[in-house]
Amino acid sequence: AQRVTQPEKLLSVFKGAPVELKCNYSYSGSPELFWYVQYSRQRLQLLLRHISRESIKGFTADLNKGETSFHLKKPFAQEEDSAMYYCALMTTDSWGKLQFGAGTQVVVTP
Amino acid sequence: NAGVTQTPKFRVLKTGQSMTLLCAQDMNHEYMYWYRQDPGMGLRLIHYSVGEGTTAKGEVPDGYNVSRLKKQNFLLGLESAAPSQTSVYFCASSWTGSPTYEQYFGPGTRLTVT
Repeated sequence: AQRVTQPEKLLSVFKGAPVELKCNYSYSGSPELFWYVQYSRQRLQLLLRHISRESIKGFTADLNKGETSFHLKKPFAQEEDSAMYYCALMTTDSWGKLQFGAGTQVVVTP
Repeated sequence: NAGVTQTPKFRVLKTGQSMTLLCAQDMNHEYMYWYRQDPGMGLRLIHYSVGEGTTAKGEVPDGYNVSRLKKQNFLLGLESAAPSQTSVYFCASSWTGSPTYEQYFGPGTRLTVT
């Protein structure tokens, strides 16, 4: 069965410092990977997805099939990046069904 | 557009009581989902629907039932609540199940079972 692992429960960084959130998955096929974000008192929302090859709010994520990873990176963290981040996976034989990781809480301090 | 709305926002139940959570979307989406969010476990899919009148089990369906009588509504029922069902419940919807279409989430319902 597929699985998504986010090893860090909490990541504390200073404003302006780089931030990297780790996401590893286990799936033998070709998955679709996503990052969702939940800001304080807001709804869970899509940040970016592998299929779109996009960069949102300065964040990027590269799918590394060899290492089965989809780490989220931003070169210069901002205070407004403080939030809960979830990595999620969708497989080709279960369209629509997202498998989420446990989440990483990011705190950016000035 | 209201997007995805959930009713109620909060609820406290006693063990054995029943209740229904309502999810409504005004985006004409075909797919709808119910997730539960627990600390340290992320979100887990309970049930989902690929269209009006159809439902299917997700990862953690036991103790829950769902219905999709109207395209815009997706109901989650707890017939006999248990403390293990204390959680935050999120509803979501999307155009289809394709990964090119984003899932839009509701604000959540915080349920406590005592």
